[in-house]
Amino acid sequence: SQELEQSPQSLIVQEGKNLTINCTSSKTLYGLYWYKQKYGEGLIFLMMLQKGGEEKSHEKITAKLDEKKQQSSLHITASQPSHAGIYLCGAERGGSGGTSYGKLTFGQGTILTVHP
Amino acid sequence: KAGVTQTPRYLIKTRGQQVTLSCSPISGHRSVSWYQQTPGQGLQFLFEYFSETQRNKGNFPGRFSGRQFSNSRSEMNVSTLELGDSALYLCASSATVMADNEQFFGPGTRLTVL
Repeated sequence: SQELEQSPQSLIVQEGKNLTINCTSSKTLYGLYWYKQKYGEGLIFLMMLQKGGEEKSHEKITAKLDEKKQQSSLHITASQPSHAGIYLCGAERGGSGGTSYGKLTFGQGTILTVHP
Repeated sequence: KAGVTQTPRYLIKTRGQQVTLSCSPISGHRSVSWYQQTPGQGLQFLFEYFSETQRNKGNFPGRFSGRQFSNSRSEMNVSTLELGDSALYLCASSATVMADNEQFFGPGTRLTVL
C-alpha cells in the first residue's frame, strides 16, 4: 500500500468554490511538503510543514499538519482557474541529528480542475 | 536568483542506448536529489548527492547512476535503456541536508525511449 495516500484523486470545482485535499501517512511525519505541478512540468514548491501541528497560509492556500492523525490538509479558498493542476504531498523521514534522508516520498497526486 | 535548471528538456533515445541528464542547483545549494516520475509509479526517489557524495539511493537497478561535481552540479546516467525508462526525470536542490530545508524542483527532462 502507498505510504502516502491522497484524497480525492481528482477534483472538479466551479470557480469561486472552496476545496480541500488530504494527505494521510502510514508512518510518522517529520516534514510534509506540498507541491503543485502542471502536467509534464516541474514541481512548484507551495509550503513545508514541520512536526508539531503547524499551519501555514500563502495567498488563498492554507495547509495544516495534524501530527496525531498523521495527516495534512491543503485548503484553497475561492478557487480560480490558475489553481488548476496536480497537487502532490511529499513526506520526509527524519534522520539522525536533525538531518533528512534527502528523500521525499510522494503521494499519487490530486488532479484539480477549476471551471470558470 | 535563478532556479534549478535541467538539460536537456526533451530527449528521445532507442533501447540499449545510454543517456546523461544534467542538473544545476540553485546557487549556494549543495544537495541535489533525483526523481523519476511515470504515470504508473508516480514520483520515485532515485538518489541524493551532497558535497559530491551519494547520501541516499532509491530502489532502482544499477543501470541508473549519478554523480555530483565540486560546483554542486549533478548528472545522472542511465545505461542500456529500456522502454520502461521513459519518464519525466526531475531534480531538486536544497541548501543543506537538514530536515527543515525546502527542496526546489527543476522543470524536468522528458525522456522517451523507443
